[in-house]
Amino acid sequence: DTEVTQTPKHLVMGMTNKKSLKCEQHMGHRAMYWYKQKAKKPPELMFVYSYEKLSINESVPSRFSPECPNSSLLNLHLHALQPEDSALYLCASSLLARQRETQYFGPGTRLLVL
Amino acid sequence: EDQVTQSPEALRLQEGESSSLNCSYTVSGLRGLFWYRQDPGKGPEFLFTLYSAGEEKEKERLKATLTKKESFLHITAPKPEDSATYLCAVQAGTGTASKLTFGTGTRLQVTL
Repeated sequence: DTEVTQTPKHLVMGMTNKKSLKCEQHMGHRAMYWYKQKAKKPPELMFVYSYEKLSINESVPSRFSPECPNSSLLNLHLHALQPEDSALYLCASSLLARQRETQYFGPGTRLLVL
Repeated sequence: EDQVTQSPEALRLQEGESSSLNCSYTVSGLRGLFWYRQDPGKGPEFLFTLYSAGEEKEKERLKATLTKKESFLHITAPKPEDSATYLCAVQAGTGTASKLTFGTGTRLQVTL
């Protein structure tokens, strides 16, 4: 089973709202990732968690706040977003047992900021 | 800086008309090259991982190959359900968790 689940599927929020995106995997993977994808563009890495610790932050604005409560869950807290933050937000996970790793993606959350 | 270039940007094929997609890359210390398929509004679906030059992998109508500078995704006798965007990504460098650098993708349309 290579399933990564994400909720919600769609989210509409105003610029003053606070919301959270959730990601879950039960494959025993120890690395989890957040990517942002704009229309007709490739995914862009935002954050990486390794063994529940933040290991990579690709200079993402502080209005995006990641959280990894345990090895199976990954959250992305959103606050005071801008319309240009509207995009497909993808979660991925990988085993982290060896140097060569395959990342498995979830279905994404389509975010619209008004 | 790692770079991945995919060509063509878009490809229209008739059903049964075989073709190849190209992914050329420049990285420092390739750890892996990945092919994903992405349908509109959905997450990328993993297809293949290639680790070293000369390696080939097949799955149904798809075959991926790797050289020291590029990878090809060969599609044999495609069907309309193969229509999607095909993404190539490379994993490079050292360290535990890995960053993927993606190409901009090839949008494939297969018509009857």
